[in-house]
Amino acid sequence: DGGITQSPKYLFRKEGQNVTLSCEQNLNHDAMYWYRQDPGQGLRLIYYSQIVNDFQKGDIAEGYSVSREKKESFPLTVTSAQKNPTAFYLCASSTPTREQGGRDTEAFFGQGTRLTVV
Amino acid sequence: DQQVKQNSPSLSVQEGRISILNCDYTNSMFDYFLWYKKYPAEGPTFLISISSIKDKNEDGRFTVFLNKSAKHLSLHIVPSQPGDSAVYFCAASVYSGNTPLVFGKGTRLSVIA
Repeated sequence: DGGITQSPKYLFRKEGQNVTLSCEQNLNHDAMYWYRQDPGQGLRLIYYSQIVNDFQKGDIAEGYSVSREKKESFPLTVTSAQKNPTAFYLCASSTPTREQGGRDTEAFFGQGTRLTVV
Repeated sequence: DQQVKQNSPSLSVQEGRISILNCDYTNSMFDYFLWYKKYPAEGPTFLISISSIKDKNEDGRFTVFLNKSAKHLSLHIVPSQPGDSAVYFCAASVYSGNTPLVFGKGTRLSVIA
């Protein structure tokens, strides 16, 4: 089945450690995104990539890094520079559809990773 | 500065009645709007969308209305069912192909049996 897989579902990190969240998609989508959800804050964009080997900062990129070496994969590293990393992290992907004249379609989301700093 | 606003954090509706969730936006460049439904500890799932060339889009029990002049959209759920209880996010994007969605903070809908 096609979809987006995030792993692990739960992750614990000690303060001062870097940690990498995995996101893989087999939907053949060009674009991939990382969002963060905090209580009462909605979804905020961390980084996005519209094509392999290219990515752009979102609204809250500080303390995070990403890579896009393959179309299917868009891992997110939460570095020790991120002051408040405890959150629910969501990965998504999308691609324009021709029947909409190349416009955006909906983004498809993974099941999320809950990161807790201990 | 919040570009997509959902001013009601929560809404309670009786089963069988209509649920109306509202969303306002400030960026006049937005021309594609979506609603997502989210359960706790899960990723959001797409519900319905509308482009700026339309003012209404229906899909079963779900209808989205767009008022461009007021920069306002709403999601109507009729009739509401207990399984509709979730957090609903409004999202918007600018026509440019694979541009990121901008989300509101969400409205928690509770449908009471």
